[in-house]
This record gives sequence, C-alpha cells and structure tokens, in this order.
Amino acid sequence: KAGVTQTPRYLIKTRGQQVTLSCSPISGHRSVSWYQQTPGQGLQFLFEYFSETQRNKGNFPGRFSGRQFSNSRSEMNVSTLELGDSALYLCASSFSSGGQETQYFGPGTRLLVL
Amino acid sequence: ELKVEQNPLFLSMQEGKNYTIYCNYSTTSDRLYWYRQDPGKSLESLFVLLSNGAVKQEGRLMASLDTKARLSTLHITAAVHDLSATYFCAAYCPLMNRDDKIIFGKGTRLHILP
Repeated sequence: KAGVTQTPRYLIKTRGQQVTLSCSPISGHRSVSWYQQTPGQGLQFLFEYFSETQRNKGNFPGRFSGRQFSNSRSEMNVSTLELGDSALYLCASSFSSGGQETQYFGPGTRLLVL
Repeated sequence: ELKVEQNPLFLSMQEGKNYTIYCNYSTTSDRLYWYRQDPGKSLESLFVLLSNGAVKQEGRLMASLDTKARLSTLHITAAVHDLSATYFCAAYCPLMNRDDKIIFGKGTRLHILP
C-alpha cells in the first residue's frame, strides 16, 4: 500500500502570497489531519477532516483553511502569507478499527515565506 | 485551556539503561498520543491510549495512561542508540471548544550514548 503523500515537498513564497498544499491519504483512510511545526511554537494541530467534513479545528486565524474531497484527498490553503507561516506542514491519514486508531504521516511540506 | 507538559525536555542516557518520559495534561482528556520524530523527518505515530489504565508496548517502548492523575508515561527499557529521537505526547480533549482540542507537548529530545 502506498503511504501518505504530500505535495509539494518544498515551497518558497513571499509575504502576501497564498499557497495550497495537498495531501493524499492511504487508500481506504477517510480521516485526514493537518499539523504545523515551527521551532518557536512547536507542533500545533490545524484541522481534521472526515468524509469531506471538518471535524476538528485548531486555534489558527481564518487565513488557514482546508477541505477534503470525495476521494479523501485533502488540501490546505494559507492566504496572505506571513513570515511566521514558515513551517513544516504535516498531514496524517488514519483509520479506526475495533476502537483503535492508527495514524500515518506524510513526509511533510516545508514552506519558507520570504 | 488545555495544557500539556512533558519532562524532561532533554535526556541523554547510556545504552542499556531504563528511563521514563512524563506527560502531564491539565484537563480531562479521553485520548493521549505518543509520537516519535527523527531529525529532519516527519512524525511517526507510536501509541494511542484511550482509557484509564491503558498500557501499550512496542519493543523497548511502553506507554501508559492514568486519567485520574492526568498523566501518561513513556518508558524506555534497555535503551539502544536507534531510539535516539524526539518524542512528543499530545492530548485530545473533546470537552474543549472547537479551537483548542488537541494540544502537543514541547517534546523530549532523547540522545542515547553508545
């Protein structure tokens, strides 16, 4: 089975631009979560989607948005980029079985905002 | 506000020794996660603990959860160099408002000396 894939892997943008990151989950997984990791703030939860619905949301401004498609692929968008948005963005897909949840992470997208 | 504190934040230990990483969280949580991250890499999900008294083991790592004490531990038995990594815990609290449900600890950087 292919793992979680994220595109692009690296990205350089300038302040004020917008960016869209993509995540393709493992086949059959319906839940996709997004996380941001920075040296200053550490790991922070962004969103969780399940069957095209946002199930949970982290404490981020409205510039951060996401969506999930019917094939479970997910995108996140950051508008009006700020220097502080430079981070590693991680996506994870998961499935639950017998009350147990198993999460698999993609390699991440490294975003640098200049 | 849900807060998650890990300690220690840095740990250098000899191969063959045992040690425990602690994860305290500030309010009722029904799900506690442990992750591993190698330098420059993505996250790897290690354990999900769902109930009081839950104990899970994988190789030399064992995680436990005490919901009454709001404490989870990650115990390392007879450490080997390959376990050198940063370990994160994260608590999920369904009673919090939508923006504050999943909070990560700052991570414990573990360095095992050969």
